[in-house]
Amino acid sequence: GENVEQHPSTLSVQEGDSAVIKCTYSDSASNYFPWYKQELGKRPQLIIDIRSNVGEKKDQRIAVTLNKTAKHFSLHITETQPEDSAVYFCAASNNAGNMLTFGGGTRLMVKP
Amino acid sequence: DVKVTQSSRYLVKRTGEKVFLECVQDMDHENMFWYRQDPGLGLRLIYFSYDVKMKEKGDIPEGYSVSREKKERFSLILESASTNQTSMYLCASRRRPVNESPLHFGNGTRLTVT
Repeated sequence: GENVEQHPSTLSVQEGDSAVIKCTYSDSASNYFPWYKQELGKRPQLIIDIRSNVGEKKDQRIAVTLNKTAKHFSLHITETQPEDSAVYFCAASNNAGNMLTFGGGTRLMVKP
Repeated sequence: DVKVTQSSRYLVKRTGEKVFLECVQDMDHENMFWYRQDPGLGLRLIYFSYDVKMKEKGDIPEGYSVSREKKERFSLILESASTNQTSMYLCASRRRPVNESPLHFGNGTRLTVT
């Protein structure tokens, strides 16, 4: 089955700096890669996703990049703000199944 | 807006008890999921269901069972709770097709087994 590894497990940045979270996956058939944000005490919510026919996708201050050859994808947050502080999860799945496999999560702390 | 409702926010149970965690979604989603969330381990899939009365094992089904008698409701059952099942449990739902619909999560049930 699919295995998704996520790094780092914790990340502390100064407000205004950029943050990068990286994930690797094992199943070359995976073709859908969402990112979820979970604020303290709240449910995870989708913030951005990317499909394998695209190498990069942006939405305001967040962007995702995908390298299918190397089987890794990354989340980039620019101009970080305190409200970006949360746990971020990457995930991977393919068309064949209903399952999303999640990474271990990254706790991002943005210091004002 | 999709609403996924879990019946309890916090539960405390004793070792050996039978535990039911209930989840209801209001958007007629075909797929429903139960995840377990533990620090450093991310979200691990216990079971999922793609239709009424259908179920599939996820990555960590041991010690759990599920029931889906109605489309909107998906129950997680711990037949005999053990202390290593102390965790946060998240229910989620999603419509088909898989890669065109995000997972919608409930608020979670924090279960403590003593």
